Amino acid sequence: GQQVMQIPQYQHVQEGEDFTTYCNSSTTLSNIQWYKQRPGGHPVFLIQLVKSGEVKKQKRLTFQFGEAKKNSSLHITATQTTDVGTYFCAGHNFNKFYFGSGTKLNVKP
Amino acid sequence: AAGVIQSPRHLIKEKRETATLKCYPIPRHDTVYWYQQGPGQDPQFLISFYEKMQSDKGSIPDRFSAQQFSDYHSELNMSSLELGDSALYFCASSDEGSPLHFGNGTRLTVT
Repeated sequence: GQQVMQIPQYQHVQEGEDFTTYCNSSTTLSNIQWYKQRPGGHPVFLIQLVKSGEVKKQKRLTFQFGEAKKNSSLHITATQTTDVGTYFCAGHNFNKFYFGSGTKLNVKP
Repeated sequence: AAGVIQSPRHLIKEKRETATLKCYPIPRHDTVYWYQQGPGQDPQFLISFYEKMQSDKGSIPDRFSAQQFSDYHSELNMSSLELGDSALYFCASSDEGSPLHFGNGTRLTVT
């Protein structure tokens, strides 16, 4: 079946350092979505990428969708303590969502 | 704006008991999803409904069942509870493949 792999599982950074998480799907996706889940909270939608090679930015966050629409990355520049949480990618095909295992980000002040 | 409402927020049950979780999706969203999230894990898809009909089934145990009612709210029924069923249960809704809107979840503890 379809799978979405996400790495790394954990990332500990010093405040101000950059952070990147990567997702790779076993099959081509219609789109990919990114969610952030704060400790004790529920996943919250961040962004959706639809086009091959698409790049979107949200302040310090940069999202990329690969040319083959099978991989994606989220890059955070100059992390802040408010970035702490788990970041999930979710591949979307035929009204089904395939979640990556998530990357738990810890930011040390 | 209205969000996805789940109840209860917390539930404590004993082994072999039953539990019912409720979800009220965002109005006019056509699809409801149920997810189970264990500690430190990603959300695992259980089941979904499109326009009140079951549309997809994931890793939902036979002891669990779900339905969506005429008013679009959904219920997840869990019977013969086991310790391993302790988890956060999220309901999410979407409209024609739009991003998922998650509820706050129900934390189920089975003792």
